[in-house]
Amino acid sequence: AQKVTQAQTEISVVEKEDVTLDCVYETRDTTYYLFWYKQPPSGELVFLIRRNSFDEQNEISGRYSWNFQKSTSSFNFTITASQVVDSAVYFCALSIWDGAGNNRKLIWGLGTSLAVNP
Amino acid sequence: GAVVSQHPSWVICKSGTSVKIECRSLDFQATTMFWYRQFPKQSLMLMATSNEGSKATYEQGVEKDKFLINHASLTLSTLTVTSAHPEDSSFYICSASPRVSLEKLFFGSGTQLSVL
Repeated sequence: AQKVTQAQTEISVVEKEDVTLDCVYETRDTTYYLFWYKQPPSGELVFLIRRNSFDEQNEISGRYSWNFQKSTSSFNFTITASQVVDSAVYFCALSIWDGAGNNRKLIWGLGTSLAVNP
Repeated sequence: GAVVSQHPSWVICKSGTSVKIECRSLDFQATTMFWYRQFPKQSLMLMATSNEGSKATYEQGVEKDKFLINHASLTLSTLTVTSAHPEDSSFYICSASPRVSLEKLFFGSGTQLSVL
């Protein structure tokens, strides 16, 4: 099976708390990309990060950090010192080849709704 | 950065009419474009993948005659919802990539369709 699992449906934290959003994936592709997107109430998807399957280095961008563990097929996302503006739905996605091997497409997790309360 | 323009942002139409949604890549040539549908509080559901100059590849369960996709140029793809019904009401999102590898992928701002 090729899928993305975001087990946390909803998370609620108080401002300034750290929060980790989990993402576990399954794929038979040897080369793939993993993505995180943020979707605020406006609906527009905001790109956060893309990770190549060959690059297991963790990444930090300001208050955001990502932990890619190929051994456990996980690509978790941590927000440090959360802020109210971080409230949104966060999606993890995996790019795979389609059945014919002609195109890549994204497999999406169900999303985690994060509420950061003041 | 690269921009994908999607229009209209929202549309209200009567049942039985057809609605066209446009997706344009403004500063790159989109080898591949995708159309998604999203219901409230749910994930994105891929409807179809389109490559310029060829027929779109529809996902299982998506009606080709209902959701017409045209990718006539490297910068424009359109989704036409034909004979729309209330159950077609949804948020539709397009995305575009200059490469098949999806190394770079850009999203439109979405179209909220409400069918009365």
